Amino acid sequence: LAKTTQPISMDSYEGQEVNITCSHNNIATNDYITWYQQFPSQGPRFIIQGYKTKVKNEVASLFIPADRKSSTLSLPRVSLSDTAVYYCLVGVRGNYNTDKLIFGTGTRLQVFP
Amino acid sequence: EAGVTQFPSHSVIEKGQTVTLRCDPISGHDNLYWYRRVMGKEIKFLLHFVKESKQDESGMPNNRFLAERTGGTYSTLKVQPAELEDSGVYFCASTPRQGDSPLHFGNGTRLTVT
Repeated sequence: LAKTTQPISMDSYEGQEVNITCSHNNIATNDYITWYQQFPSQGPRFIIQGYKTKVKNEVASLFIPADRKSSTLSLPRVSLSDTAVYYCLVGVRGNYNTDKLIFGTGTRLQVFP
Repeated sequence: EAGVTQFPSHSVIEKGQTVTLRCDPISGHDNLYWYRRVMGKEIKFLLHFVKESKQDESGMPNNRFLAERTGGTYSTLKVQPAELEDSGVYFCASTPRQGDSPLHFGNGTRLTVT
C-alpha cells in the first residue's frame, strides 16, 4: 500500500472552503484514493473515494490530478461540526489488502466560529 | 440499518486481569476487522475475519490477544493477561465485500490498564 503524506493540522473558520491535500507519490496503477473522517470518541467514517479527475458527493469533493501523485479533499462551507481528523488512504480496489488500512497521522481540522 | 456496535465503550482493569471486548458487525457483513490505536500512535490493523474464519491475523501483537467469531456473527477480542501497553482504543469494522466497499467502524472500546 502506498504511503501518504498529509499536513498534521489545519485551521479554518465557519463558512469557508477547506482543501486538504494528500501526497502519494508511489501510488500504483490499480490504487484508489479514499478519505475517512474521524470525530473524537468515534470510529473513522468513510467520506469519499476516487480513482482520477473529480468525484463529488453530498459531503465533499475529491480532486485528483492526471499524475495521481496527490489528491485534494474539498469541504465546502465548513461548520463547527466538521472539526475532525481526516485520513487519506490509498489501496487496490477489489484486493482484500485494501481493507488492511494504513491510517497514518491524518490531518486534524479545527473549525472556529 | 444499525451500525457496528462495540461493548463496552470503556473498560478500566488492572495489569494482569482479563478483558473481553465485543463487536457486533452490521448484519450481513461477512468481513469483520479489529484495529487499535495505542496512546500517541496511529490506528493499526489487528486482524480480519471472513465469516468465522481468520483470514489475516498478522497485526495481532502477541499471544495474549485472542479473537474469535463463533458462528460468523459477533466477534470477541480477549486480552489475557492485560499489560499496561495494551491501553488504547480498540475499533471494530465490517464490510460486506473485501476491498470493494468502505469499512464501517464502530465507536471503539477505550481500554485502560492500570
